[in-house]
Amino acid sequence: QVQLQESGPGLVKPSETLSLTCTVSGGSISSYYWSWVRQPPGKGLEWIGSMYHSGSTNYNPSLKSRVTISIDTSKNQFSLKLTSVTAADTAVYYCARGGSKQWLVDYWGQGTLVTVSS
Amino acid sequence: QSVLTQPPSASGTPGQRVTISCSGSSSNIGTNYVYWYQQLPGTAPKLLIYRNDQRPSGVPDRFSGSKSGTSASLAISGLRSEDEADYYCAAWDDSLSGPVVFGGGTKLTVL
Repeated sequence: QVQLQESGPGLVKPSETLSLTCTVSGGSISSYYWSWVRQPPGKGLEWIGSMYHSGSTNYNPSLKSRVTISIDTSKNQFSLKLTSVTAADTAVYYCARGGSKQWLVDYWGQGTLVTVSS
Repeated sequence: QSVLTQPPSASGTPGQRVTISCSGSSSNIGTNYVYWYQQLPGTAPKLLIYRNDQRPSGVPDRFSGSKSGTSASLAISGLRSEDEADYYCAAWDDSLSGPVVFGGGTKLTVL
């Protein structure tokens, strides 16, 4: 059974960079795409982007200029960096397995709340 | 404004059958698979239906999915109190809106 766990700061200041890491257990990260999805408080799901271990990426066009997703196969982890954050980026951030035309998301992490505030 | 359109709410009584619709376009539902997710209060989403009508292991057969043209539906039969949750549809989108788009979510209330 694949398990995913997000980690990172729960509070980020405006204009700074949000950084999160997802640790994958129970399966190799060298298969499937791996995604980040976020959910602002009380709102719906928004897909951020996905990456394959080969380096292929897919990003939400509305966030693309501020997002970088990377993978560390040696640690079975993948990461999210979102630059120049504002209060609108306050959300629960989920990491998940999947994120390609052939296979959307199946397994999800428990999520981590990131608040953008000074 | 979500690319996929779902009704914001739905309701039913225990034992009833309810359906939740998801409307899209030729660039998403019309040409790609539809996925459905269930999100219980305070928890992460869970995959309910994949590739239009397939159930992952462990999902009761009370849940079923279908697709026709640019629309999809999730049906829940024999409604139970524990089905009260938010439900989201999602699909790959070949247009500039994509590549992964979600519906706005439907809050299901079991009366």
